[in-house]
Amino acid sequence: DVKVTQSSRYLVKRTGEKVFLECVQDMDHENMFWYRQDPGLGLRLIYFSYDVKMKEKGDIPEGYSVSREKKERFSLILESASTNQTSMYLCASSLGLAGFLLYEQYFGPGTRLTVT
Amino acid sequence: EDKVVQSPLSLVVHEGDTVTLNCSYEVTNFRSLLWYKQEKKAPTFLFMLTSSGIEKKSGRLSSILDKKELSSILNITATQTGDSAIYLCAVNNAGNMLTFGGGTRLMVKP
Repeated sequence: DVKVTQSSRYLVKRTGEKVFLECVQDMDHENMFWYRQDPGLGLRLIYFSYDVKMKEKGDIPEGYSVSREKKERFSLILESASTNQTSMYLCASSLGLAGFLLYEQYFGPGTRLTVT
Repeated sequence: EDKVVQSPLSLVVHEGDTVTLNCSYEVTNFRSLLWYKQEKKAPTFLFMLTSSGIEKKSGRLSSILDKKELSSILNITATQTGDSAIYLCAVNNAGNMLTFGGGTRLMVKP
């Protein structure tokens, strides 16, 4: 079974703090993703990575950065947390592109971040 | 801008009922459509659809894609309380990215 783990289930931070969210997958997947999920807005892609040290912006990258130094680990960084970044953050991973098909993504349990 | 819209937003049914959830999309370079079920934690994968008219089935759940209508439906027959969840539809439009719909919240009452 694919396992995607996230470093924290719940996190409370103050405005202006630097926040690190860590994600680790154990299936040697090429692709890793960070989403945020807000009521009524569904899942929105922040960043994704298709290889070590490679990253692409998603739909809402502003205020976030990412790091992928090892294949199994993908970090989301909030350089200076703000209250509008209070959300559920979900990490996902998938195998690489095969022709034009995307393999299904496997999600971690999520981190609920509150910025006060 | 790519868009995925799900309906209804929420649904309350009784055990044993059959439900149909809808997903419509406007994307460039459609590749595949995926359905996920999300309970308390992470979404879990249900189906991936790439071809029109071919039903995918898993137990009481089934799904079909209509590329002409740019839509998909997810059917759940003989619903159980354990089917209560948010059902997410996502479309792969290019490369490795998915665009998600807002989800349908299903509640199944005993």
